[in-house]
Amino acid sequence: EIVLTQSPGTLSLSPGERATLSCRASQSVSSSYLAWYQQKPGQAPRLLIYGASSRATGIPDRFSGSGSGTDFTLTISRLEPEDFAVYYCQQYGSSTRTFGQGTKLEIK
Amino acid sequence: EVQLVESGGGLVQPGRSLRLSCAASGFTFDDYAMHWVRQAPGKGLEWVSGISWNSGSIGYADSVKGRFTISRDNAKNSLYLQMNSLRAEDMALYYCAKVGRRGYSYGHFDYWGQGTLVTVSS
Repeated sequence: EIVLTQSPGTLSLSPGERATLSCRASQSVSSSYLAWYQQKPGQAPRLLIYGASSRATGIPDRFSGSGSGTDFTLTISRLEPEDFAVYYCQQYGSSTRTFGQGTKLEIK
Repeated sequence: EVQLVESGGGLVQPGRSLRLSCAASGFTFDDYAMHWVRQAPGKGLEWVSGISWNSGSIGYADSVKGRFTISRDNAKNSLYLQMNSLRAEDMALYYCAKVGRRGYSYGHFDYWGQGTLVTVSS
C-alpha cells in the first residue's frame, strides 16, 4: 500500500498570500496518478487536480499542481476567502487507492 | 447534471449487517468505474472499495476485505455496498464516487455524493 504523507498538517495564511501544500508518497506513484481534493465543513470533497497537474473542470487557475514520482505539490497562488478548507491528496495508480491525512488551510 | 445519491445508512449494532446504495444519474453509468470512500467523524478520507464498469475488477481496503462486498446493477444505475460483521471502527459517512475516465478502473474521482451516515453502536 502506498502511504501518502501531507505537510504541513495545518497552514495558517492570510487572503492574498500564496499557499504551498506538499504530498509525499512512500513509493513512486504510477503515471502521476495523483489527485487533489478540497473539502469544506459539511460538504463532500471536490476534485481540484488530477494527473498531478491537470485542473478539473471549473477550477480557477490560481490552483496548480506539480510533481512526479514521490513528491507532489498543490499551490494556490493568491488565497481567496473561499479557499480556506481541508485539502487531501490521493493516489489512484495502485489497486489500493489511498489518501493523505489532509492539510487544513486556515485563516491567519 | 451528474447526481449521486447514497442511502441505506443508519444505526446498527456491532456484528450486524447493512447495505448501502448509490443511485446515479446524469451520465452513462455503465461506462464508469465507481468507488466507496468513507470518513469517520472528524477524520480524513479512507478509500473503501472500487468496482470497474463491468464488475470485472473489484478491490477492497484491507480494513474491510472479507466483510464488505461491492456490486453494481447497470440496468438500475445503482452501486451497492454490502457491509457485514460491522465494527465500531466502521462508523463513518460513506460516500460513493464516480471515476473521471470512461472505461478505466484507475481514475480520479470527479463526482461525489453527499454521503450516508453509518453508526455502529450497541
